[in-house]
Amino acid sequence: GDSVTQTEGPVTVSESESLIINCTYSATSIAYPNLFWYVRYPGEGLQLLLKVITAGQKGSSRGFEATYNKETTSFHLQKASVQESDSAVYYCALGDPGTQVVGQLTFGRGTRLQVYA
Amino acid sequence: NSKVIQTPRYLVKGQGQKAKMRCIPEKGHPVVFWYQQNKNNEFKFLINFQNQEVLQQIDMTEKRFSAECPSNSPCSLEIQSSEAGDSALYLCASSRRAGGQDTQYFGPGTRLLVL
Repeated sequence: GDSVTQTEGPVTVSESESLIINCTYSATSIAYPNLFWYVRYPGEGLQLLLKVITAGQKGSSRGFEATYNKETTSFHLQKASVQESDSAVYYCALGDPGTQVVGQLTFGRGTRLQVYA
Repeated sequence: NSKVIQTPRYLVKGQGQKAKMRCIPEKGHPVVFWYQQNKNNEFKFLINFQNQEVLQQIDMTEKRFSAECPSNSPCSLEIQSSEAGDSALYLCASSRRAGGQDTQYFGPGTRLLVL
């Protein structure tokens, strides 16, 4: 089956430091899955951070970036300078882009990020 | 921000009791998904609908879980006889189309505790 593996948290960084959260995937039945980063801020629901559907492309949002690398089957999340407000749990996920599939997502277990001042 | 509404936010039940949770998808989203996130943060897809029709459901859902998305009413997920292992966060998501092309928008979840 499909699977997603990401950095095991918690990850603790100082404000204004750089960040990378690793994500690798295995998509046994999908040639080129859609890749997502979702985020859950404290007390809030899961929300989409960014999405990339084309291999080789980069997605970005709120200062975060992730590049879809099909050679290494990776989709690492990076930010050059984190802020306290980035403290949250980040989830990497993949989905089958086909039109004849049900469309459920496969998630990693999440990485808790704690940014301190 | 997502406009998927889930109620209740918290649910406490005894073993063997029924547990029912509801979801109102975003307006214009005919596709609804239910996921279970357990204490190890593992997600499990349970079932999904397009309008009132079930598209796919896993075996667990077929046995003790029932779900529906009636027209003009909230979708619901009900556990007929709760077990301790059902304690988890239940997430509802909606999207514009079936298939994997569209982004899924999630509600805040219903946290179920089975004592």
